[in-house]
Amino acid sequence: DGGITQSPKYLFRKEGQNVTLSCEQNLNHDAMYWYRQDPGQGLRLIYYSQIVNDFQKGDIAEGYSVSREKKESFPLTVTSAQKNPTAFYLCASSINYGKNIQYFGAGTRLSVL
Amino acid sequence: GESVGLHLPTLSVQEGDNSIINCAYSNSASDYFIWYKQESGKGPQFIIDIRSNMDKRQGQRVTVLLNKTVKHLSLQIAATQPGDSAVYFCAENSGNGGATNKLIFGTGTLLAVQP
Repeated sequence: DGGITQSPKYLFRKEGQNVTLSCEQNLNHDAMYWYRQDPGQGLRLIYYSQIVNDFQKGDIAEGYSVSREKKESFPLTVTSAQKNPTAFYLCASSINYGKNIQYFGAGTRLSVL
Repeated sequence: GESVGLHLPTLSVQEGDNSIINCAYSNSASDYFIWYKQESGKGPQFIIDIRSNMDKRQGQRVTVLLNKTVKHLSLQIAATQPGDSAVYFCAENSGNGGATNKLIFGTGTLLAVQP
């Protein structure tokens, strides 16, 4: 998947629990992104990071948090404040935050127990 | 607001035929477009991209056509194979920097290749 590794592939969250999705890239890309995919809908942007130690909210950031302490890593935490977390989560990266190709990981499917 | 839509949610073709997947976009300021292929349970895979200074771009068995006059994008797949069965979606970028510089994704078209 283009040098982007997401883990785990499947994740289950209990009521009131925070869970963290991992995303690692070895492409030396500056920009990284998190998207949420629901059936019948296009990908929606949760958070993005243009460079290390910087990140910005996307269109649906409520109930999510991220960090970008290392260039190759951009973990996403789904907090208990996200009331409808069941979805397919996709991480992507691009060489920089411009009009460039975004390469995606294989995704993490999150379900609620 | 910005939107990217597809004319046909499902397209069924015979193996060996050519496939054409269409995409309409509403933002005339969009100047960068990407087509992705997504197989079931997997992440989207880049197919081809095109910038607005071009009308056509070809890859291996694929061609993207851009008609800026009617704000229409199409993906043509030659000699469609069973392995081409997937959801295809287009994405557009009209940003000029900052928070606006992002891809807007369509909902996708399911391509089903019949043997």
